[in-house]
Amino acid sequence: EAQVTQNPRYLITVTGKKLTVTCSQNMNHEYMSWYRQDPGLGLRQIYYSMNVEVTDKGDVPEGYKVSRKEKRNFPLILESPSPNQTSLYFCASSPAGTGAGTPLHFGNGTRLTVT
Amino acid sequence: GENVEQHPSTLSVQEGDSAVIKCTYSDSASNYFPWYKQELGKRPQLIIDIRSNVGEKKDQRIAVTLNKTAKHFSLHITETQPEDSAVYFCAASKGLYNTNAGKSTFGDGTTLTVKP
Repeated sequence: EAQVTQNPRYLITVTGKKLTVTCSQNMNHEYMSWYRQDPGLGLRQIYYSMNVEVTDKGDVPEGYKVSRKEKRNFPLILESPSPNQTSLYFCASSPAGTGAGTPLHFGNGTRLTVT
Repeated sequence: GENVEQHPSTLSVQEGDSAVIKCTYSDSASNYFPWYKQELGKRPQLIIDIRSNVGEKKDQRIAVTLNKTAKHFSLHITETQPEDSAVYFCAASKGLYNTNAGKSTFGDGTTLTVKP
């Protein structure tokens, strides 16, 4: 089944403890992206990747890191999480290298709580 | 950068009525405009999209219209049903060879409630 898989689905952690949220897609998509969703603020883009070894900042990149060492994986890293990073996170992928003319396929989300 | 405004934030209609959600964008270079539906506790899923070379697109009860001159696009749902109740997001992005080609900007969402 074609899908974007995020892990974990739920995560509770404490301030300052490094964490990684994994994202993997099995559709051979070139484009991958991370979003955070907060009530009333829609989906805000954190980072995106047009292809392997190519990553760029979205609208809210502060406090996050990403890497794209291989096509299928795009992990989101929080080096020192803070409470304002408590949110629902979605990973998404898209077939086109631009990511701009084809629909996004979203993972099931990761609900992160930082205390 | 791109700014997308979506209205209304909440919309309540009676089953069988039509629903219209509007979005405006700021960057005239944007050329791809998808709409996503997010049911409670689930991921967003594409319901319809339109590219800038098209003015209107229809898929059964759902249609999207685009006015490039005014920089706005709208989602139209006819004969609404209770299962249409969800949060709807519009988005705008650009094609290759544009600055920030990989960026996608979303509206803040519209919570649609269809009353039986």
